[in-house]
Amino acid sequence: GENVEQHPSTLSVQEGDSAVIKCTYSDSASNYFPWYKQELGKGPQLIIDIRSNVGEKKDQRIAVTLNKTAKHFSLHITETQPEDSAVYFCAASPSGTYKYIFGTGTRLKVLA
Amino acid sequence: SAVISQKPSRDICQRGTSLTIQCQVDSQVTMMFWYRQQPGQSLTLIATANQGSEATYESGFVIDKFPISRPNLTFSTLTVSNMSPEDSSIYLCSVHSTGELFFGEGSRLTVL
Repeated sequence: GENVEQHPSTLSVQEGDSAVIKCTYSDSASNYFPWYKQELGKGPQLIIDIRSNVGEKKDQRIAVTLNKTAKHFSLHITETQPEDSAVYFCAASPSGTYKYIFGTGTRLKVLA
Repeated sequence: SAVISQKPSRDICQRGTSLTIQCQVDSQVTMMFWYRQQPGQSLTLIATANQGSEATYESGFVIDKFPISRPNLTFSTLTVSNMSPEDSSIYLCSVHSTGELFFGEGSRLTVL
């Protein structure tokens, strides 16, 4: 079955700097890769996603890149702000299923 | 989008007891899921709640321990039976709607 690895587990950046979180997946049948942000005491919220027919997607300060050959995808946050501090999860979903396999999470701290 | 309400939001339970978590969605959805998030860990799919039939459980989860009901397209319950401290987790209801997976705020259970 699918396995998703996520790095780093914790990340501290200065406000205004960029943050990058990386994930790798094992199942070449996976074709949908969402990223979720989970704030303390809340459920995860989708912040951006990418499908396997696209190499990059941007939404304001956040972007996701996908390398299908290497089976890895990354989340990029630019001009970080204190409110970006949260736990971020990547996920992979194999084609034809509604199952999402989540990475282990990255705790991002943006220092003011 | 889908708005998901879960209750209770948190509870402290005694070893050996059972607790039922309720999940209400503001619209009819076909695909509804229950996830577990152990302290500081990632999200693990427990089961898919099927309307009108038995839930589909993932490897490592069984109906006797986590019975699920899905009486209609907007409501589901998850029971955590005969609880032990190892069951202390956040239990999350989620639905797949308009191509996305949405999560409730979660139910944080502490078992003493």
